[in-house]
Amino acid sequence: AQSVTQPDIHITVSEGASLELRCNYSYGATPYLFWYVQSPGQGLQLLLKYFSGDTLVQGIKGFEAEFKRSQSSFNLRKPSVHWSDAAEYFCAVGGGGNKLTFGTGTQLKVEL
Amino acid sequence: DTAVSQTPKYLVTQMGNDKSIKCEQNLGHDTMYWYKQDSKKFLKIMFSYNNKELIINETVPNRFSPKSPDKAHLNLHINSLELGDSAVYFCASSPPSGGRTDTQYFGPGTRLTVL
Repeated sequence: AQSVTQPDIHITVSEGASLELRCNYSYGATPYLFWYVQSPGQGLQLLLKYFSGDTLVQGIKGFEAEFKRSQSSFNLRKPSVHWSDAAEYFCAVGGGGNKLTFGTGTQLKVEL
Repeated sequence: DTAVSQTPKYLVTQMGNDKSIKCEQNLGHDTMYWYKQDSKKFLKIMFSYNNKELIINETVPNRFSPKSPDKAHLNLHINSLELGDSAVYFCASSPPSGGRTDTQYFGPGTRLTVL
């Protein structure tokens, strides 16, 4: 069965600081990996996805993520956080059959 | 233009009532989903339809019945509402992908509160 672990429930960073959100997955074959962001009271918006190829993936809003098969990880990074990045971030894994399994999310707070 | 829309945005009702949530997508996608997000923000798939056919049915009480009149619509009907049904329900859709997982596009959510 596929699963996702996001070990950090809450993270607080200062505006302008760098950010890394951790994601570890479990999947028996080549995974399809996603990062979504949810702003308060909103639906989920796709930040980036990895299907194959270059293991460093660029997304929207200046985010990037790196797929590391040996570590079963897909960590999300941003070099300089903006106050508007405060939100809930979800990592998800999928494979065949259109089923996405989400992690429990990481809430990001940005200190001004 | 709204890609995935849900109505209503908020729904407050009494235990034991029956209610429906509607979802429509104008993206031309073949596959639609319902997710439940609990108070701890955990997001879990409930159902998935592909071209009006049920393809994913996670262990959801049979009080929940999805209905897809056409591939652009997926409604969720809930009978005999219970306190534990209080959550945010998200509809999503995804394009044809040859059976593999592809990007899912989410609606804004419906916050259901059962009193």
